Amino acid sequence: RKEVEQDPGPFNVPEGATVAFNCTYSNSASQSFFWYRQDCRKEPKLLMSVYSSGNEDGRFTAQLNRASQYISLLIRDSKLSDSATYLCVPYVDSGSARQLTFGSGTQLTVLP
Amino acid sequence: NAGVTQTPKFRVLKTGQSMTLLCAQDMNHEYMYWYRQDPGMGLRLIHYSVGEGTTAKGEVPDGYNVSRLKKQNFLLGLESAAPSQTSVYFCASRDGNTEAFFGQGTRLTVV
Repeated sequence: RKEVEQDPGPFNVPEGATVAFNCTYSNSASQSFFWYRQDCRKEPKLLMSVYSSGNEDGRFTAQLNRASQYISLLIRDSKLSDSATYLCVPYVDSGSARQLTFGSGTQLTVLP
Repeated sequence: NAGVTQTPKFRVLKTGQSMTLLCAQDMNHEYMYWYRQDPGMGLRLIHYSVGEGTTAKGEVPDGYNVSRLKKQNFLLGLESAAPSQTSVYFCASRDGNTEAFFGQGTRLTVV
């Protein structure tokens, strides 16, 4: 099983739609989680950090399910500007696990 | 605030040439990372460092070497470039349990 797995998509949704992505991780010792967005091979930028069960920031909600080892990202009222690739990364702060492995990303296109 | 700075931003190399990519961070972060990203692919970890003077292999280390002689700098070397190393290279740094900050990337083409 890969360390981090994401549905590659692409997800094509109309403006205003609600869309959700899942990210599964294999290391049960993962302590924190990050969602990044990446535009057209530019550098990834932090979207949201999750240190407990979840986090919410405006239209974006992250939900963590430790029992099933996945974290989801929900985007409500999608905007054209939300079109990007969304990367998930779990983090374990010990030894070689500090290597910070990213998922391969989920591609989202919001259509007018 | 400079954050993470990569140099150069673009480079074209001939097969067999060598070069060094520099990553510099001014946030006093302990951990630094080098990734490569090929078209349509995710970020793949090449090497990383958990502190000055330390380095470790990531997922795709072959053909690359790294050094972390100073805490703020993480160098990625290609001793003999190959066309398969054509890619976009990203450097990142972080500290503790916080998010990673990325440089703007280096677009490398090996012909």
